[in-house]
Amino acid sequence: EDQVTQSPEALRLQEGESSSLNCSYTVSGLRGLFWYRQDPGKGPEFLFTLYSAGEEKEKERLKATLTKKESFLHITAPKPEDSATYLCAVQAVGETSGSRLTFGEGTQLTVNP
Amino acid sequence: DAMVIQNPRYQVTQFGKPVTLSCSQTLNHNVMYWYQQKSSQAPKLLFHYYDKDFNNEADTPDNFQSRRPNTSFCFLDIRSPGLGDAAMYLCATSRDRGFEQYFGPGTRLTVT
Repeated sequence: EDQVTQSPEALRLQEGESSSLNCSYTVSGLRGLFWYRQDPGKGPEFLFTLYSAGEEKEKERLKATLTKKESFLHITAPKPEDSATYLCAVQAVGETSGSRLTFGEGTQLTVNP
Repeated sequence: DAMVIQNPRYQVTQFGKPVTLSCSQTLNHNVMYWYQQKSSQAPKLLFHYYDKDFNNEADTPDNFQSRRPNTSFCFLDIRSPGLGDAAMYLCATSRDRGFEQYFGPGTRLTVT
């Protein structure tokens, strides 16, 4: 069974204080690892897809990296508008399972001004 | 802008009274999904359509059904809602299997 564990559950940062969120996963065969941002009462917003170990993607203050067992979402000099829940999800190889996203519980990030 | 639209955004129903949630997309994507997300929990896949082919998750209760009459629309039917079915219901689409999924804003379902 595919599993995703995110840590920490909650993280409070001061504006400008860089940090990293962790996503550990176990999957029979990884098709892709996805990062989403979710604001309260809204649907998840797609951020990145990573397909293979060593791959990195960047967008503004966010950078996602992938190893064979975990992914990190690095946040550089965060701003209050980066406050949200960040969700990690994996997709396994396989015709039907290749559609399912298995999500972690998320990291709730708060950035104080 | 191409997008995923869900209606209504908020739905209140009574215990046991059937309810239908709607999803439409202008992305022309092949695959449409329904997820259930309870408070402070991860979204959980209920089922998905790959074109017209319906794929049910093994642990999705029989109380939940879905219809996809055409490429653009997909419906979630809850035949006899229980208090435990109160949740946010998220519709998502993807171009094909293995590609990123784009989510709608969700429908918050309350069961009284």
